[in-house]
Amino acid sequence: AQSVTQPDIHITVSEGASLELRCNYSYGATPYLFWYVQSPGQGLQLLLKYFSGDTLVQGIKGFEAEFKRSQSSFNLRKPSVHWSDAAEYFCAVGGGAGRRALTFGSGTRLQVQP
Amino acid sequence: NAGVTQTPKFQVLKTGQSMTLQCAQDMNHNSMYWYRQDPGMGLRLIYYSASEGTTDKGEVPNGYNVSRLNKREFSLRLESAAPSQTSVYFCASSDSGTGGFYEQYFGPGTRLTVT
Repeated sequence: AQSVTQPDIHITVSEGASLELRCNYSYGATPYLFWYVQSPGQGLQLLLKYFSGDTLVQGIKGFEAEFKRSQSSFNLRKPSVHWSDAAEYFCAVGGGAGRRALTFGSGTRLQVQP
Repeated sequence: NAGVTQTPKFQVLKTGQSMTLQCAQDMNHNSMYWYRQDPGMGLRLIYYSASEGTTDKGEVPNGYNVSRLNKREFSLRLESAAPSQTSVYFCASSDSGTGGFYEQYFGPGTRLTVT
């Protein structure tokens, strides 16, 4: 069965600092990978996705993620964090024979210090 | 385009009461989903509907029923609410087709408390 691990429950960074959120997945074939962001009291917004091709993918709001098959990882990065980036971030994997839904990680809550 | 809409936004139930959560999408998507979100557990799939007229159980279906009313609407029913069903419920929709995978679009959520 597929699974997603986000090892960091909570991360605090200073505004302007760089950010990396970790995501590891378990999946038997080439995965379809996603990062979503959830602001407090809001729904989920798609930041970026990886389906195939270039392993470095660019998303909205200045985020990028790199797919590393050898490490089963899909880490999210941003070179300079803004206060408005404070939110919860979810990594998810989809696909598999007959499986249409997403499997989510438990999330990483990002706090941004001024 | 409203995208995915959910009603109500908030609801408080007493144990044993029933209710239906409504979801509608205007993107002409074939597939729709219901997830629940609990602290520290991410989102877990309750039920999904790959296309109009079909529904399938997800990871945590016990205590829930669903109806795919038409292509636009997918409702989730709690027949006899329990405190363990206190959660935030998200509806999502996506395109579908043979092979591949399609990104999902989420509604704003329904926050349900069962006392």
